[in-house]
Amino acid sequence: DAKTTQPPSMDCAEGRAANLPCNHSTISGNEYVYWYRQIHSQGPQYIIHGLKNNETNEMASLIITEDRKSSTLILPHATLRDTAVYYCIVRVAFPGTSYDKVIFGPGTSLSVIP
Amino acid sequence: NAGVTQTPKFQVLKTGQSMTLQCAQDMNHNSMYWYRQDPGMGLRLIYYSASEGTTDKGEVPNGYNVSRLNKREFSLRLESAAPSQTSVYFCASSERWEKLFFGSGTQLSVL
Repeated sequence: DAKTTQPPSMDCAEGRAANLPCNHSTISGNEYVYWYRQIHSQGPQYIIHGLKNNETNEMASLIITEDRKSSTLILPHATLRDTAVYYCIVRVAFPGTSYDKVIFGPGTSLSVIP
Repeated sequence: NAGVTQTPKFQVLKTGQSMTLQCAQDMNHNSMYWYRQDPGMGLRLIYYSASEGTTDKGEVPNGYNVSRLNKREFSLRLESAAPSQTSVYFCASSERWEKLFFGSGTQLSVL
């Protein structure tokens, strides 16, 4: 089973910030939070990841709560091209192990509205 | 640098036929994955390979077999295709704790 829960769908007005929440209450200390998105039927695309500090890149910002049980992906100025399904996953980052099972949940379908 | 390449892009099978989906990556990644995606649903992990020579079951392995032929290639085989295996199949690769890179997908229909 996926180790994250997300709302199934959200709307956002074009030009406004899109804030996508994710709960990962059972996250372990050695697990990262990753976000991907999938536009239409393309292969998913990496957005951002973090361990416990907030992260920002050219695509988005990631805010992780202090207890690491939840996070929020922020698209600062949503455009129509940001309409996609957004996936939040947790992933072990543990060198030397063969365990690397990466499970996706159903994600959040974000619709950016003109 | 092509990234992750999947072949074929489209395939139609009759029930009971067999086929192999091919996946190759040129990024020297250790880990490779096969996912399926059904309409309106998220990605479900079929099998994964954390390193050359190892494979492990994911969430929905029944009806599939995999081979990690070498570090570059990870194939998915359907021995006796069923209509329930109609889906879009994605291959992905990554370094152990880095981001996943996905292929463009194979659309499979089983009649």
